[in-house]
Amino acid sequence: GNSVTQMEGPVTLSEEAFLTINCTYTATGYPSLFWYVQYPGEGLQLLLKATKADDKGSNKGFEATYRKETTSFHLEKGSVQVSDSAVYFCALLSFTNFGNEKLTFGTGTRLTIIP
Amino acid sequence: DGGITQSPKYLFRKEGQNVTLSCEQNLNHDAMYWYRQDPGQGLRLIYYSQIVNDFQKGDIAEGYSVSREKKESFPLTVTSAQKNPTAFYLCASSIGRLVADTQYFGPGTRLTVL
Repeated sequence: GNSVTQMEGPVTLSEEAFLTINCTYTATGYPSLFWYVQYPGEGLQLLLKATKADDKGSNKGFEATYRKETTSFHLEKGSVQVSDSAVYFCALLSFTNFGNEKLTFGTGTRLTIIP
Repeated sequence: DGGITQSPKYLFRKEGQNVTLSCEQNLNHDAMYWYRQDPGQGLRLIYYSQIVNDFQKGDIAEGYSVSREKKESFPLTVTSAQKNPTAFYLCASSIGRLVADTQYFGPGTRLTVL
């Protein structure tokens, strides 16, 4: 079945540091890939997405490139801020044999940015 | 503003009681979903519905029930058969109709069973 493996946290960085959160996936076919962010006590917000190989999703200074050859979708940001402190989830969207959408999540990576 | 609302934000119940969590969306989405989140874990799918009056079990449906009488609403009942109901519950919706598009999430309900 499909699966998503994320870099284990927690990750602690200083403000303005470079961020990478690794995400690799296992899936048949060509799933869409997503990064969601969850701030404390809140639901998930879509951060960015990519729907086909070599697509780059970007938002709020974050980027991720859909790499089919390495089955990866690593999240990067050049200079993090304290407000980026949150839990980040990598996810893939595929269809079941019955044509239903299925979103498979990684376990999440907690990021803390220190001023 | 379009979006998904969940109520209440915090819910406390005694063991053995059924409890219903509300989820409403005004995005005109066909598909709706319920997930459960436990500390340090990803989200697990409880139930989903692709259209009105139809729903399917997800990966962890035991002890839960749902209904989909209206397009906008997808309430989740946590029954007394659910062995460990304390968790954070998230509702989501998407366009559906076999379009592989984004799922949008509500703010969540934190259920604590005493």
